[in-house]
Amino acid sequence: DAGVIQSPRHEVTEMGQEVTLRCKPISGHDYLFWYRQTMMRGLELLIYFNNNVPIDDSGMPEDRFSAKMPNASFSTLKIQPSEPRDSAVYFCASSIRTGADTEAFFGQGTRLTVV
Amino acid sequence: SQQGEEDPQALSIQEGENATMNCSYKTSINNLQWYRQNSGRGLVHLILIRSNEREKHSGRLRVTLDTSKKSSSLLITASRAADTASYFCATDGATGANSKLTFGKGITLSVRP
Repeated sequence: DAGVIQSPRHEVTEMGQEVTLRCKPISGHDYLFWYRQTMMRGLELLIYFNNNVPIDDSGMPEDRFSAKMPNASFSTLKIQPSEPRDSAVYFCASSIRTGADTEAFFGQGTRLTVV
Repeated sequence: SQQGEEDPQALSIQEGENATMNCSYKTSINNLQWYRQNSGRGLVHLILIRSNEREKHSGRLRVTLDTSKKSSSLLITASRAADTASYFCATDGATGANSKLTFGKGITLSVRP
């Protein structure tokens, strides 16, 4: 397996534009996580899915953020409209189970810059 | 808010020396994991230690867990320049099947050749 695949690797967009980040989890992993990493706040869990169903979205910062998982092999994180404070590295991860009971596999991340 | 807090925030050592990194957490846990992140890359799992374990080894890595003190340490022996990276501890709250893995802010380790 190629691991967790995220696209794009880098995204530069203007404030107010819509941004869509994409993730393909490892086949057979029932859990998918979206994290955001910044220097100030570290690695924050935004939302996670179990079998394509959102389980906990309490980390989503505000209504401008939305995430979907239409099938087991694809998820998107959308920001609309984007703001400069959304600039961060966004990671997708997948695992067989949730919690600290099992290893999470991370993608390479998408570095988002909103100008 | 982060469940785990790593200490120190940054560590610089000479190649060949041992590196010790600490993690403290607030609430009871089921398990604790350590991850490594190279610059510009995603996190990579290093080791998992369960709440009923006190010590675990993997190659040059040694992890300890003290649940009474709510703390863990990661020791890298005979460090190499390639060990230069950020290291994170990750924990879950012992709250059931849908507990979440949450990360500390990480420790930046620099190993000088």
